Amino acid sequence: DSGVTQTPKHLITATGQRVTLRCSPRSGDLSVYWYQQSLDQGLQFLIQYYNGEERAKGNILERFSAQQFPDLHSELNLSSLELGDSALYFCASSPHLKGNEQYFGPGTRLTVT
Amino acid sequence: DAKTTQPPSMDCAEGRAANLPCNHSTISGNEYVYWYRQIHSQGPQYIIHGLKNNETNEMASLIITEDRKSSTLILPHATLRDTAVYYCIVRVEGAGGTSYGKLTFGQGTILTVHP
Repeated sequence: DSGVTQTPKHLITATGQRVTLRCSPRSGDLSVYWYQQSLDQGLQFLIQYYNGEERAKGNILERFSAQQFPDLHSELNLSSLELGDSALYFCASSPHLKGNEQYFGPGTRLTVT
Repeated sequence: DAKTTQPPSMDCAEGRAANLPCNHSTISGNEYVYWYRQIHSQGPQYIIHGLKNNETNEMASLIITEDRKSSTLILPHATLRDTAVYYCIVRVEGAGGTSYGKLTFGQGTILTVHP
């Protein structure tokens, strides 16, 4: 158990819909990272927040957005969903801004039908 | 981040040592070698990292060659639960600029531990 929690574990929704994925980092960790893992793209970095501020962006689509709240939990919002957005979404946390030692949650499996 | 090359797959017998190689011939002096693993559909798990000295923790040992162009992750007594994809990542400690903590995962090595 990494100490990072993610909800929900599974999500099934239709194309065009909007969903919110939630992540609670390990106690004391200030950085939260979001990754997407699909069968054809592998594990890809989406975005990082540190203490409430966006700090790094990867290949995140404009339809996706994230935020980190004062209690440090984070949410990833996915809108206008497409079939290709079906994937595992992982959240990770680390104590520092420049953390290469990251602790991953169990993931949310999103299926878009 | 320096490019890494890993074999796509390896097999190991249960109870034997699993030695997973990684080539990183373009590594620069301030880049560390990190290892993660991902057991099927679970979140990746940090294993170990090192700069130039050999490192050991409760999970594994990391051997880095003297020229730092390659490294080997050693699982001393592999079990069936060690079956996973193992990723070698080379990265500056505390990377700056806009990359911060962005980890770039390649294809990794699929390690299969057999009974």
